[in-house]
Amino acid sequence: DTAVSQTPKYLVTQMGNDKSIKCEQNLGHDTMYWYKQDSKKFLKIMFSYNNKELIINETVPNRFSPKSPDKAHLNLHINSLELGDSAVYFCASSHSDRGGNQPQHFGDGTRLSIL
Amino acid sequence: GQNIDQPTEMTATEGAIVQINCTYQTSGFNGLFWYQQHAGEAPTFLSYNVLDGLEEKGRFSSFLSRSKGYSYLLLKELQMKDSASYLCAEHRHGNNNDMRFGAGTRLTVKP
Repeated sequence: DTAVSQTPKYLVTQMGNDKSIKCEQNLGHDTMYWYKQDSKKFLKIMFSYNNKELIINETVPNRFSPKSPDKAHLNLHINSLELGDSAVYFCASSHSDRGGNQPQHFGDGTRLSIL
Repeated sequence: GQNIDQPTEMTATEGAIVQINCTYQTSGFNGLFWYQQHAGEAPTFLSYNVLDGLEEKGRFSSFLSRSKGYSYLLLKELQMKDSASYLCAEHRHGNNNDMRFGAGTRLTVKP
C-alpha cells in the first residue's frame, strides 16, 4: 500500500553511464515532482509535471530528461552521468490546487552514487 | 538556499520546548510548509500556514507573520524521536504547488 514508490533505492554506477529512476504514485494525485538532495541536505526542485504536462523545469542540465507516460508515473532518465550527479533523488506527488494547501508526499528516495 | 533562511543545527533536551525559525522572501509568497525528515528517510508533511498566527497540532505548532516574512515551528515536550531535520518550504504563486525548500535545521534531542 505504498503511496509514492521509487526504484531503485540504491544506484551505484560509473561515470558516463546512462541510468533511469522510476516513480509511481497510487494516491490519485495529478502532479508529480523530482527533487535532488545533495550532500548538504539541500532539497531542490528539478521538475514538476501536471497531468503528464511539464510545469516546472528548473535549471537542470539537459542530460536529465523526465518522462511521464501517465499521471501516476514520472520517470527520470539521466545520460552521461557525472560525479556531481551523486545525490539522493526524491520523487513526490500532490493534488494541484492553486490555493496551495496541498502537501507533497515523498517517495523514499534513490541514492545515486557515481564512481 | 533560495532566499529561505533557517539555522543549520539546534540541540535541545528531552522534555523541553524548542523553536525553529525560518525567514523567506515575501514577493510572490503564498504559504509556508514545514516538513520533518529523519536521516535517510523521506520528508513528511507537518504543517501549512497561509494566514498570520499560530496553528497548533498536538505537540507541534507553526506560526506565520506574512508582513515580516517569518515563520517558526514550535516543538513541545520533546522526545528523542524528534531528532530530525526540519525543512521550511515556501509555496509561491504561479506554477502548481511550486515549493522552495530551505536547507533544513538539524535538531538533536539529548536525554
